[in-house]
Amino acid sequence: KAGVTQTPRYLIKTRGQQVTLSCSPISGHRSVSWYQQTPGQGLQFLFEYFSETQRNKGNFPGRFSGRQFSNSRSEMNVSTLELGDSALYLCASSPGPGTYEQYFGPGTRLTVT
Amino acid sequence: AQKITQTQPGMFVQEKEAVTLDCTYDTSDPSYGLFWYKQPSSGEMIFLIYQGSYDQQNATEGRYSLNFQKARKSANLVISASQLGDSAMYFCAMREGQGGGADGLTFGKGTHLIIQP
Repeated sequence: KAGVTQTPRYLIKTRGQQVTLSCSPISGHRSVSWYQQTPGQGLQFLFEYFSETQRNKGNFPGRFSGRQFSNSRSEMNVSTLELGDSALYLCASSPGPGTYEQYFGPGTRLTVT
Repeated sequence: AQKITQTQPGMFVQEKEAVTLDCTYDTSDPSYGLFWYKQPSSGEMIFLIYQGSYDQQNATEGRYSLNFQKARKSANLVISASQLGDSAMYFCAMREGQGGGADGLTFGKGTHLIIQP
């Protein structure tokens, strides 16, 4: 069974631009969560989607948004990029909201210059 | 207050020795799950082991075991017979709430484990 895939793996953007990251969960998994990892703040929860609905959102500004499609694939978007948005963005999938385990993808490393 | 505390920023261990990575957690929710993940330098988070708050026995997965002491709110990871490939960052994480909750995983700061030959 294929794991979680994320595209692109690496991205360089300029301040003020926007970016869209993509995540395809494990086949059969219907929940997708997004996390940001930085050296200073560590790993922080961004949001979780299930059945195309956002279940909850972490403490991030409105510039961070996401969505989930009917095939469970998810995208996250960051608008008006700031230098502090440079991070590893990790996507995790799980079977559904009634389960605890989450399996992570390889991440997208975003650099904002 | 931090929900997940990992007190060992870094550890050096000789190959083939057993390793214990410490993790304490804080929650008032009776339903929660505890996880350990391994993150090599490549960045991918690799799931190692899971322990539910209602599980009576400590979880084991191959060389990994979780020493779950509920009253002390402790969930230490034990790696038996360490290998060079075990060198990585290790994160303890918790998810609160019935049915997996909706707030995602809360992670500790991590422990950087280095296995020496």
